[in-house]
Amino acid sequence: QKEVEQDPGPLSVPEGAIVSLNCTYSNSAFQYFMWYRQYSRKGPELLMYTYSSGNKEDGRFTAQVDKSSKYISLFIRDSQPSDSATYLCAMSVLNAGGTSYGKLTFGQGTILTVHP
Amino acid sequence: EAGVTQSPTHLIKTRGQQATLRCSPISGHTSVYWYQQALGLGLQFLLWYDEGEERNRGNFPPRFSGRQFPNYSSELNVNALELEDSALYLCASSKGYGYTFGSGTRLTVV
Repeated sequence: QKEVEQDPGPLSVPEGAIVSLNCTYSNSAFQYFMWYRQYSRKGPELLMYTYSSGNKEDGRFTAQVDKSSKYISLFIRDSQPSDSATYLCAMSVLNAGGTSYGKLTFGQGTILTVHP
Repeated sequence: EAGVTQSPTHLIKTRGQQATLRCSPISGHTSVYWYQQALGLGLQFLLWYDEGEERNRGNFPPRFSGRQFPNYSSELNVNALELEDSALYLCASSKGYGYTFGSGTRLTVV
């Protein structure tokens, strides 16, 4: 079983839709949760990060973490064609100093297409 | 501010050869991370360098190695290339929260 599971999709939605992207994880030691966006032929770009359970909002994006269920989500409101990309969840164990040992564990990525 | 830069963009090597990939972090970032993104396997952690030292290593054989230079740039060496080493190799740097990735080097082993 993979430590982080993410539905690869593909997911196709009309412009303006609310998109929900999800990951589940098995390692209860994960404390740091991130969402990255990756366009074709580019490296991943950090969208959001959070340490705690609950919601964190940034513009059209909301990251949600439920540590008791080992489940994280990313919601995109008013989706745009420019949001078409692969979305990757990532998570990490933190050491006593609050750093990650360098290792992020990624989900497989969900391919999202927003059509006009 | 310049981002993380990687070179070359593409690299084609023959099985058994060695490949050298290079990375320049964002100015002021002392940590460099290497990840492999192979088709169907997702992003896998390879190596972490900080202040010139290897701090952590992923589950890869010893023929994957690297180093970090005094200016914090880094290189990744892959010896005795195998066909399954074909992948996008991504370098990232950080100064605290979140990693900034480069656009990667596409390595093809034939």
